[in-house]
Amino acid sequence: ETGVTQTPRHLVMGMTNKKSLKCEQHLGHNAMYWYKQSAKKPLELMFVYNFKEQTENNSVPSRFSPECPNSSHLFLHLHTLQPEDSALYLCASSQDGLAGGRLPSTDTQYFGPGTRLTVL
Amino acid sequence: KQEVTQIPAALSVPEGENLVLNCSFTDSAIYNLQWFRQDPGKGLTSLLLIQSSQREQTSGRLNASLDKSSGRSTLYIAASQPGDSATYLCAVNNYGQNFVFGPGTRLSVLP
Repeated sequence: ETGVTQTPRHLVMGMTNKKSLKCEQHLGHNAMYWYKQSAKKPLELMFVYNFKEQTENNSVPSRFSPECPNSSHLFLHLHTLQPEDSALYLCASSQDGLAGGRLPSTDTQYFGPGTRLTVL
Repeated sequence: KQEVTQIPAALSVPEGENLVLNCSFTDSAIYNLQWFRQDPGKGLTSLLLIQSSQREQTSGRLNASLDKSSGRSTLYIAASQPGDSATYLCAVNNYGQNFVFGPGTRLSVLP
């Protein structure tokens, strides 16, 4: 148990569906992350939030829409996904980003268990 | 742009063996390096974090070393056990940059 929870753990959706992934951390961190892990590819950073502000969007398609209403919660809204978007989506958190969150954190990241997404 | 590679991609050893996993990175001006473990279909668990000023870190049967000048880190696992079977990832952090992850080494320890 790392203190980071993700729901749902598994999700199957059609290409026209809209769904959301949820992440919650109980560690008092101010930096939160979304990663995508596809088969046989390194972990890909998607989004970073520091103090609820988005500080990184790693050229992610607009069919993925993040939301960070507070420092403890992070959502990933999904719509009109493609089959190649099927992957394990991991959420992580860490201590504050540097320089008041304007720079990425250098601290240990704590990961949730992930959501296994299948797009049909 | 920082790139991280890990060798071997997969490794299978009998129980009790000592083993070494390798991580290489292209930009040696790192701030720290972290080793993670990932069980199938699950999230990552942090094992060891080495700051750039450190040469090694130890936790139980695990020892991670760092040679910044050559762009390398190794994770040494002593007396391997079947429960060590997992994918091991290293991640490198350059100041002002987000962590960059390697592709991982998939380890199988056979009873």
